Amino acid sequence: QQPVQSPQAVILREGEDAVINCSSSKALYSVHWYRQKHGEAPVFLMILLKGGEQKGHEKISASFNEKKQQSSLYLTASQLSYSGTYFCGTEKAAGNKLTFGGGTRVLVKP
Amino acid sequence: NAGVMQNPRHLVRRRGQEARLRCSPMKGHSHVYWYRQLPEEGLKFMVYLQKENIIDESGMPKERFSAEFPKEGPSILRIQQVVRGDSAAYFCASSPRALEYEQYFGPGTRLTVT
Repeated sequence: QQPVQSPQAVILREGEDAVINCSSSKALYSVHWYRQKHGEAPVFLMILLKGGEQKGHEKISASFNEKKQQSSLYLTASQLSYSGTYFCGTEKAAGNKLTFGGGTRVLVKP
Repeated sequence: NAGVMQNPRHLVRRRGQEARLRCSPMKGHSHVYWYRQLPEEGLKFMVYLQKENIIDESGMPKERFSAEFPKEGPSILRIQQVVRGDSAAYFCASSPRALEYEQYFGPGTRLTVT
């Protein structure tokens, strides 16, 4: 079953913060985050494995709460380049397929 | 190190024709995944292949669609007797091992069925 992402869309001013959530009704082994710009391929951001770890890449970080079966992506001090659609992909077991959420559109304005 | 390559980038087919989409994974990657993306929608898993083996095809339509990843050459997604509903962007991704590792996506093939 497809994970649910929220919000569906968010508009930010440059420098503002945002949180994107990804929730599953099933137990998860891992969560993958990707960003896709219009007309382009998805670009990998990070993977979180079960264990409640947190990861970061510059000013984009994420957490994974396996008990709640939820992951959150944090955009801190957003930049114009952060605009795009963010997808989470969830994996129920190692070596299983990725099931992607419907995406969250982020628009960062100057 | 070249990334994932897909060709053609754009493909136009008339209803009833066949479409062949090719994907060359990154060097050293033996796992290939195919996804379909309809306009303004998310990525839908179709099939997961390793060299000469289909590992998971649970996302593939039962009819008209097939995929292969031969020992030599690219992975091919084949759609027979295309219909307008097949119009979409088809992305392939590759990884060096099974999931736990990031998937690197190709630029996609945009299929238009007229």
